[in-house]
Amino acid sequence: DAKTTQPPSMDCAEGRAANLPCNHSTISGNEYVYWYRQIHSQGPQYIIHGLKNNETNEMASLIITEDRKSSTMILPPATLRDTAVYYCIVRVEGPGYALNFGKGTSLLVTP
Amino acid sequence: GAVVSQHPSWVICKSGTSVKIECRSLDFQATTMFWYRQFPKQSLMLMATSNEGSKATYEQGVEKDKFLINHASLTLSTLTVTSAHPEDSSFYICSAPLRDYGYTFGSGTRLTVV
Repeated sequence: DAKTTQPPSMDCAEGRAANLPCNHSTISGNEYVYWYRQIHSQGPQYIIHGLKNNETNEMASLIITEDRKSSTMILPPATLRDTAVYYCIVRVEGPGYALNFGKGTSLLVTP
Repeated sequence: GAVVSQHPSWVICKSGTSVKIECRSLDFQATTMFWYRQFPKQSLMLMATSNEGSKATYEQGVEKDKFLINHASLTLSTLTVTSAHPEDSSFYICSAPLRDYGYTFGSGTRLTVV
């Protein structure tokens, strides 16, 4: 699996967009970028994923650079409930492959 | 959406006893289940992969005789921590891949061994 690099922590004011970066410079052509988050003492929750096009769903937007070496997941706007650890994971698609979690970014949304 | 129901959500047991954690897939069939362990302030670490009807595959460093995994049906996978010790205290989470994309996770089990 391609390795990902994320800042260990970020702060964001409530009501503002939270832009969480992820570097995955060794990503392969068939690997997807997944974003999950984990609120304290809960199981991880799916947010969004993409291959090379920008994606948007009801939770977030995902911007992947043209060379696919980095991406940004955007929570617009952030609420206090979005305080969590956010994981950017690169993985080939397929049911037999587990997600390997890095250290993620601890996002604190403040009032 | 597809849900994995995990029980118990927390358990306290005495050192030397065994504890069983169950993960049930609701409204879908989980031919594969991944088991993770998470220590405080750390990330999730993959322990093993179970496939329905076959033996589980364990990650390096995980004792298969201590962490017994059974995946006897398409909707149920269990993890039994045998002869638990305080160092086994952790947050255990199961996860099943979904047909279309992504993965769904159980809510986790907080195990405390005293």
